Amino acid sequence: DTEVTQTPKHLVMGMTNKKSLKCEQHMGHRAMYWYKQKAKKPPELMFVYSYEKLSINESVPSRFSPECPNSSLLNLHLHALQPEDSALYLCASSQGILGGTRNTEAFFGQGTRLTVV
Amino acid sequence: DAKTTQPPSMDCAEGRAANLPCNHSTISGNEYVYWYRQIHSQGPQYIIHGLKNNETNEMASLIITEDRKSSTLILPHATLRDTAVYYCIVRDRIYNQGGKLIFGQGTELSVKP
Repeated sequence: DTEVTQTPKHLVMGMTNKKSLKCEQHMGHRAMYWYKQKAKKPPELMFVYSYEKLSINESVPSRFSPECPNSSLLNLHLHALQPEDSALYLCASSQGILGGTRNTEAFFGQGTRLTVV
Repeated sequence: DAKTTQPPSMDCAEGRAANLPCNHSTISGNEYVYWYRQIHSQGPQYIIHGLKNNETNEMASLIITEDRKSSTLILPHATLRDTAVYYCIVRDRIYNQGGKLIFGQGTELSVKP
């Protein structure tokens, strides 16, 4: 199984709503990522989790709150978003080996297309 | 992090080889070159990566110059399904944190019949 599964595929939410995006992988990967992608732009890194701990936060506003409840799951909690937060949100995972020299590829999900109204 | 420069767009005839260039003149000794592609409205897909030797897999070949300042991704027989945005990425050295993949602007490859 080399899949990263993201749910939901599409989400429309109001600016006062609270919602969550979910990401799941069963490849035994210990690094997981959230990216945001606006139309016609490259994906932008938001967060990196390594061994269920947040290791990188790319200065993302606090209305985005990541959570890694276990090694297979990654959530992104959304609260009080703005219309400009509408984008494709991508989750990815890779095999992170502490102190290792081996580099491996990242696997991406198909994304959640979020529209904030 | 080393930056990459790619042409914004390229065309290729179906059945011909597609050669996608990438400049990464500030790459450091331990940084790998990765290639991903993104077909419209899908998540990025890993293609290939290399350090200094040329690499080949079932999808593509990667040619890295001896000074490592540039590379070329080769799709030997392009098909219409290869139409996508291709990203050349130099992987961040913070490997212990799982590594950061920072995407540049990429090359939009159009394969035409």
